[in-house]
Amino acid sequence: DAKTTQPPSMDCAEGRAANLPCNHSTISGNEYVYWYRQIHSQGPQYIIHGLKNNETNEMASLIITEDRKSSTLILPHATLRDTAVYYCIVRVAGGDGLTFGKGTHLIIQP
Amino acid sequence: DGGITQSPKYLFRKEGQNVTLSCEQNLNHDAMYWYRQDPGQGLRLIYYSQIVNDFQKGDIAEGYSVSREKKESFPLTVTSAQKNPTAFYLCASSIEGTGNSPLHFGNGTRLTVT
Repeated sequence: DAKTTQPPSMDCAEGRAANLPCNHSTISGNEYVYWYRQIHSQGPQYIIHGLKNNETNEMASLIITEDRKSSTLILPHATLRDTAVYYCIVRVAGGDGLTFGKGTHLIIQP
Repeated sequence: DGGITQSPKYLFRKEGQNVTLSCEQNLNHDAMYWYRQDPGQGLRLIYYSQIVNDFQKGDIAEGYSVSREKKESFPLTVTSAQKNPTAFYLCASSIEGTGNSPLHFGNGTRLTVT
């Protein structure tokens, strides 16, 4: 699986959009970009995933650059409950699981 | 209410004892996974199973064993051969074992071995 690079931590004001970047410059054509988040002492929560096109669901939007070497997760109106560690992961099409890095610790400030 | 159930939430054992962690899902998912998480670290894959009666080693399988006799169950045994068994263990499942199939996680079992 391709490696990802994320900032170790970010702050965002409550009510604003949180934009979390991820670099995956060695991504292959058949690898998906996944985003999960984990609140302390709980299991990771699936947020969104995509291959080439931008994706949106009730939780977030995923913007993938045209060359697929980076992506951004957007939480449109951050709340205090969005404080968590966010993981960006690339996964091969014939996936045997997910390879987690250290993620970005997002802190939503009141 | 569909989901993944891991029990118990906290487990304590003496060194040298084997211990089995339970993972049950009622999502009718084919694939199941076991991960381990140490403090301040990401998750590491122990074992995975894409179908009943079949499973493969992940990145850190030494000292662990699994079985997949039923679609809904994927128990993990932490053996006495595992040198650092104290950790947070997470089970996950997905509809199928392909890249386009999200994993859904349980809430974990925290194992402490003294």
